[in-house]
Amino acid sequence: GQNIDQPTEMTATEGAIVQINCTYQTSGFNGLFWYQQHAGEAPTFLSYNVLDGLEEKGRFSSFLSRSKGYSYLLLKELQMKDSASYLCAAMDSNYQLIWGAGTKLIIKP
Amino acid sequence: IAGITQAPTSQILAAGRRMTLRCTQDMRHNAMYWYRQDLGLGLRLIHYSNTAGTTGKGEVPDGYSVSRANTDDFPLTLASAVPSQTSVYFCASSEGDRNTEGYTFGSGTRLTVV
Repeated sequence: GQNIDQPTEMTATEGAIVQINCTYQTSGFNGLFWYQQHAGEAPTFLSYNVLDGLEEKGRFSSFLSRSKGYSYLLLKELQMKDSASYLCAAMDSNYQLIWGAGTKLIIKP
Repeated sequence: IAGITQAPTSQILAAGRRMTLRCTQDMRHNAMYWYRQDLGLGLRLIHYSNTAGTTGKGEVPDGYSVSRANTDDFPLTLASAVPSQTSVYFCASSEGDRNTEGYTFGSGTRLTVV
């Protein structure tokens, strides 16, 4: 079956760095997405990886290892506004997104 | 402002009633999607449409129907609501079904079936 695993909740300190991991099992693979979702709001697109390696976009970076079925989202210089849920989603062979349940990130001062 | 508009924002609905959730986009995106989001679960695809005039079933289609008469509108209908359909419903769109630039989501409809 198809499955996405990510931690339910993480806590980090303002100004620090946090890494949110995601493992996936899909029928075929056409890329890995990360979305941010603030409480009560819609998900917003953060990143897309289809090749192995690290993609950096400001304070956020996303990494993919296709051979390991593994990705992570790295957030640097954490700010209070980064408190949100982070959703991992893998695109399967039919170009459908399989979503993880999300990781709730709590930032403490 | 370009994007997706969903209506209503929230609704309390008696079981057995029929309801249509509205979704309109102004980005001329070809593909549109309906998801439900429940606590502790990932977004689950209900129905999708890769282009106007076509629709397809997602992971959890039972009890829901959709239509795509034109590019902009993608309404979701609950024929006879049941309490298990209590959820937050998100409409989303993308340029194509193989889009790698992410989906744009509407702000959601919070539906409670009692």
